[in-house]
Amino acid sequence: EVQLVESGGGLVQPGGSLRLSCAASGFTFSEYSMTWVRQAPGRGLEWVASIKQDGNEKFYVDSVEGRFTISRDNAKNSLYLQMNSLRAEDTAIYYCARDGRITILGVVAGWFDPWGQGTLVTVSS
Amino acid sequence: DIQMTQSPSSLSASVGDRVTITCRASQGISNYLAWYQQKPGKVPKVLIYAASTLQSGVPSRFSGSASGTDFTLTISSLQPEDVATYYCQKYNSAPFTFGPGTKVDIK
Repeated sequence: EVQLVESGGGLVQPGGSLRLSCAASGFTFSEYSMTWVRQAPGRGLEWVASIKQDGNEKFYVDSVEGRFTISRDNAKNSLYLQMNSLRAEDTAIYYCARDGRITILGVVAGWFDPWGQGTLVTVSS
Repeated sequence: DIQMTQSPSSLSASVGDRVTITCRASQGISNYLAWYQQKPGKVPKVLIYAASTLQSGVPSRFSGSASGTDFTLTISSLQPEDVATYYCQKYNSAPFTFGPGTKVDIK
């Protein structure tokens, strides 16, 4: 069974940092691009960042570019999101999601299935 | 960046009704569009990708279609378990933007 389990969320002050992790199991992690999507309380889904299967290409939404860093460790079947200079508007549930199919010839699927249960990040003083 | 809009933002329909949700891209995205269902308090789940391909395990009452930059998600016969918010998402290239969502409930 494919499983994605996020951890690392919590309460952090504005300007602080947090590192989210996503532990993957049940599939060959190194064959799939991976993504972080967030959802602010009572709001819609927002794509945050994606990383190709080999970690060589990364993509970010403009609002987090330069503050967040997505990375992965294929040997540990793990995805990460390093979040620096956090703002109140970064408060959200952060979901880890796998690409819908394996990355073929460097081309990502771009749609996401499955998703983890999410981890809540609250940025507040 | 390409913007995604959805209409309506919410709807209320009776069990058995045919329900249609529209998603529009501000520029062409070919068929690189997915639909997700998020039930209250639950994790999003993909229903359709490539505009009209039903993900394995998704009931056949769900279908998707495309016409230019307009995309449609149809529920042929609304069921109580379909109460959810539905999101479209473009994936022709980053940013992989989601639409604002359409909330569906039972009348």
